[in-house]
Amino acid sequence: AQTVTQSQPEMSVQEAETVTLSCTYDTSESDYYLFWYKQPPSRQMILVIRQEAYKQQNATENRFSVNFQKAAKSFSLKISDSQLGDAAMYFCAYRSFGGADGLTFGKGTHLIIQP
Amino acid sequence: KAGVTQTPRYLIKTRGQQVTLSCSPISGHRSVSWYQQTPGQGLQFLFEYFSETQRNKGNFPGRFSGRQFSNSRSEMNVSTLELGDSALYLCASSLAYQHNEQFFGPGTRLTVL
Repeated sequence: AQTVTQSQPEMSVQEAETVTLSCTYDTSESDYYLFWYKQPPSRQMILVIRQEAYKQQNATENRFSVNFQKAAKSFSLKISDSQLGDAAMYFCAYRSFGGADGLTFGKGTHLIIQP
Repeated sequence: KAGVTQTPRYLIKTRGQQVTLSCSPISGHRSVSWYQQTPGQGLQFLFEYFSETQRNKGNFPGRFSGRQFSNSRSEMNVSTLELGDSALYLCASSLAYQHNEQFFGPGTRLTVL
C-alpha cells in the first residue's frame, strides 16, 4: 500500500515570504499522480496543484510551485509571497494511475501566516 | 458552475442509529468518491462510485455502504453507529472513473453521542 508522509505538523512564515512544505511518499508504481490540497478553517478541500509522475517538469500555479523528485519520492510545495489567505492545513495526496484506492493523504501541515 | 454540494452539513446521532448522507456532484461529473476525516486517522478513502456501480472500496467495515443514482448523485449510509464514526465526511466528484482530479464538497460533520 502507498503511504504519504508530511514531516512538518506545523509551519510558520511571515507574510510576503516564501515557505516550503515537505512531502515524501512510498510506492512501487511508476505511474501516479500527486496533489497538494488546502483545507482552510471552513473545511472545504481545495486543490492547489497537481503533478503527473510521467512529467519531468515541475508544476506551477501562480505563487504555488512544486519540487518533484521522482527518484527520491519527494514532492514539496513552495508558496511564494505568502498571503494571510494562505493560512490553512495543507495535505499532500497520492493517487495511483489506476486509482483503485482513491486518494491517499498525508497527515497534513498546519501553515500559519504571521502578519 | 455550482460546486459539489453535501447535505446535511451537520448531523447528531446516537449510538446504534443509522445515518444517510447525500452528495450532489458538479454538473457533468459522473464519479463520486467518499472520504472520512478524523483527528486520529486523518483522511481515509471510503469508496468510489461511477455509473451507479461501486468501483473501489477502502478498508472500512460493512456498516459503511453507499450508492449512486442515474443522475450521479450519491448517498452513503452508516448503520449501527459507533462513537468512532464521529467525523467529517467529504464527498469528491470527478469527470469520470479514475480521473485524476477530484473536487471536494464542504463535508458533513457527523457527531455520534
